[in-house]
Amino acid sequence: GQQLNQSPQSMFIQEGEDVSMNCTSSSIFNTWLWYKQDPGEGPVLLIALYKAGELTSNGRLTAQFGITRKDSFLNISASIPSDVGIYFCASRGAQKLVFGQGTRLTINP
Amino acid sequence: DTAVSQTPKYLVTQMGNDKSIKCEQNLGHDTMYWYKQDSKKFLKIMFSYNNKELIINETVPNRFSPKSPDKAHLNLHINSLELGDSAVYFCASSQDLTGVSYGYTFGSGTRLTVV
Repeated sequence: GQQLNQSPQSMFIQEGEDVSMNCTSSSIFNTWLWYKQDPGEGPVLLIALYKAGELTSNGRLTAQFGITRKDSFLNISASIPSDVGIYFCASRGAQKLVFGQGTRLTINP
Repeated sequence: DTAVSQTPKYLVTQMGNDKSIKCEQNLGHDTMYWYKQDSKKFLKIMFSYNNKELIINETVPNRFSPKSPDKAHLNLHINSLELGDSAVYFCASSQDLTGVSYGYTFGSGTRLTVV
């Protein structure tokens, strides 16, 4: 089946640092979505990308849809404590969203 | 004002019992889903319904039976619970079957612990 591979699996950073994570696949996708999951909550949509090469920002978050349509990147600038959580990439498989394994972000104050 | 609400939030039960989880969405969405999140946080789809019709049944044991009385509700009944059923179960909804216009909206999850 279609698989999304996220890296890194976990990140430990200092407050104020920038963060980069990515998601790759062997399949071509027409949409990339990035979600964040806070502890004890469900995933919440951060950014949606619909076109190859598209670069979209949401506050301190920026995501890009790779030109090959097989990857996507999420950057967080100047991290703050509330950025802690698990970040998931997702894309559309056959009538469903397929999710990456997640990147767990931990921030040291 | 909760968009997708699941009950209960926590469920602890013994092996062999039967239990249900309820989900309701007030977004007017056509499609609803059940996802299972394991201990490694991997999210895997179990079922999807579109306007009360089953669309996806992703090789889930038939001890799991979803029921959609109307398009705003999707419940999950689990028979003969096993230890391996322990996980967090998320209900989600989307505007339509594609789910990409605005993504999915997730509930806050039901943490099921089978002892």
